[in-house]
Amino acid sequence: NAGVTQTPKFRVLKTGQSMTLLCAQDMNHEYMYWYRQDPGMGLRLIHYSVGEGTTAKGEVPDGYNVSRLKKQNFLLGLESAAPSQTSVYFCASSWTGGSYEQYFGPGTRLTVT
Amino acid sequence: LAKTTQPISMDSYEGQEVNITCSHNNIATNDYITWYQQFPSQGPRFIIQGYKTKVTNEVASLFIPADRKSSTLSLPRVSLSDTAVYYCLVGESNYQLIWGAGTKLIIKP
Repeated sequence: NAGVTQTPKFRVLKTGQSMTLLCAQDMNHEYMYWYRQDPGMGLRLIHYSVGEGTTAKGEVPDGYNVSRLKKQNFLLGLESAAPSQTSVYFCASSWTGGSYEQYFGPGTRLTVT
Repeated sequence: LAKTTQPISMDSYEGQEVNITCSHNNIATNDYITWYQQFPSQGPRFIIQGYKTKVTNEVASLFIPADRKSSTLSLPRVSLSDTAVYYCLVGESNYQLIWGAGTKLIIKP
């Protein structure tokens, strides 16, 4: 099993550009999450999904959109990138929500200039 | 929302036992306590989870007193490879875990 994979690993955007981050999991998990992690800080939840076709806002959703068209994939979109969105983005999945064990991907390092 | 408080950093030496304590004064009745480990340039990795008293697995122990207002992660006989950031999380009734800044643990030879 590959676990949780993220594409791409690195990306540099100019302000105003758009992009989509892809997360895929092969563990048949219902729940998926997108986090951002800024230097010296913990993770902050952007959006999450409790099943195929459903999404919900997390702690810091502004400037991001998500889609979960297939159970194994969770996409994070930036419509108009801003320098404040420079961060490392992690995707995670779990069998159920709340405090249940989450499995994380390797992260995507995004720089917006 | 429950908040957790951990030391920002800790140092120890190879072969020692390391205890990292987390405070969570407003923990709710149904909340679990979970610890994750994160190495540089990697996603966090689950270490251990507990509700009360003591939980032990192959890599760590988790001690939770009766009032559940704190918990202690215990790493037996640490090695250099245990150098990482450790996060204490308290599960909420919804799906949104609140992550603190974590404890940076440095193991010295």
